[in-house]
Amino acid sequence: SQTIHQWPATLVQPVGSPLSLECTVEGTSNPNLYWYRQAAGRGLQLLFYSVGIGQISSEVPQNLSASRPQDRQFILSSKKLLLSDSGFYLCAWSVGTDNSPLHFGNGTRLTVT
Amino acid sequence: GDSVTQMEGPVTLSEEAFLTINCTYTATGYPSLFWYVQYPGEGLQLLLKATKADDKGSNKGFEATYRKETTSFHLEKGSVQVSDSAVYFCAGANNNDMRFGAGTRLTVKP
Repeated sequence: SQTIHQWPATLVQPVGSPLSLECTVEGTSNPNLYWYRQAAGRGLQLLFYSVGIGQISSEVPQNLSASRPQDRQFILSSKKLLLSDSGFYLCAWSVGTDNSPLHFGNGTRLTVT
Repeated sequence: GDSVTQMEGPVTLSEEAFLTINCTYTATGYPSLFWYVQYPGEGLQLLLKATKADDKGSNKGFEATYRKETTSFHLEKGSVQVSDSAVYFCAGANNNDMRFGAGTRLTVKP
């Protein structure tokens, strides 16, 4: 069966520090991969999605970046965190091209202090 | 661009009450529509889906019907339980681009 792992579960980082959040998927090949952010009391904002290795689409210009070094690995990064980067970050995957449902990880709670 | 609008919360109900959470979408063509549920501290889980007009998705007593004429996908449950307390998200997908509503927090009191 397919599983998704996202870590760490919680993270407290000072302003200006770098960020690296990792997400891996097991049990499927060539998944579509997504990073969403959920700010407190708000809905989900699509940050990045990828349909294959090295193929990253960015939805919102900001100080975050994403990379997909392997088929089932998706990394969210920042060189210098801002206070406004605080939030709940969710990785998700789907397969195929027919609007399949997304499968989410348990999320990372990031607090920038 | 495509967007999803859902009823703002929070919604507080007593156990066994009837639930409706409204959702409407704006999209080119006919997107697939979904309801997801998020329990505290967790990621989202798929609750139900519908892929074309007049389809009805159902799961765990929840239902939603894809209404093309009103571009709606309202979530309903006839009798809610305390365990249904969570945040509910409506979503629409076109070409694998999944867009979410802002979420509606439901609290069910015993």
